[in-house]
Amino acid sequence: EVQLQESGPGLVKPSQSLSLTCSVTGYSITSNYWGWIRKFPGNKMEWMGYISYSGSTSYNPSLKSRISITRDTSKNQFFLQLNSVTTEDTATYYCARGGRLGANWFAYWGQGTLVTVSS
Amino acid sequence: NIVLTQSPATLSVTPGESVSLSCRASQSISTSIHWYQQKSNESPRLLIKYASQSISGIPSRFSGSGSGTDFTLSINRVESEDFSIYYCQQSYSSPYTFGAGTKLELK
Repeated sequence: EVQLQESGPGLVKPSQSLSLTCSVTGYSITSNYWGWIRKFPGNKMEWMGYISYSGSTSYNPSLKSRISITRDTSKNQFFLQLNSVTTEDTATYYCARGGRLGANWFAYWGQGTLVTVSS
Repeated sequence: NIVLTQSPATLSVTPGESVSLSCRASQSISTSIHWYQQKSNESPRLLIKYASQSISGIPSRFSGSGSGTDFTLSINRVESEDFSIYYCQQSYSSPYTFGAGTKLELK
């Protein structure tokens, strides 16, 4: 069974970087597409970006200058880094598995991790 | 970016009723729409992909329809476990976007 688990700091100071890890079990990240999605207080959802089975990436242009998604295939993990965070980046962050042909839809999700940006 | 408008924002129903939730896109997106259910304190769950394709393990009372700009998620005979928030998401063009959600609540 595919399982995803986010981990990382729950509190980040403004202007610092947010770094999260998604650990995947039951499926190799060298197949399919793998994405990060966040949900803001008030329920708005935002697609942040993805990393593909080959390591290529695509990002939401609204974040493009601040976001990086990388991976470690030996550990079957992928990572999110978001730089220069502000209080507006406070959200629950989810990692998820996309399809074989693209990060078009997400059938498997992590449980989500709340990240609060505050001094 | 493609904007998805979901309506109504909140829908109050009694168990046993059948309902339709709407998602309208700001431009034609063929059938590149997907529906999710999110219960409180849980992760989203994929219900329908590509407007009408069913997902393994999802109850048959959930169905989707539509193409172009207008899409509908139908729930036949709502059950108590269905009260949650429903989101549509488009994958027609990047950045992929979500609707604001429809909250299905107990009347």
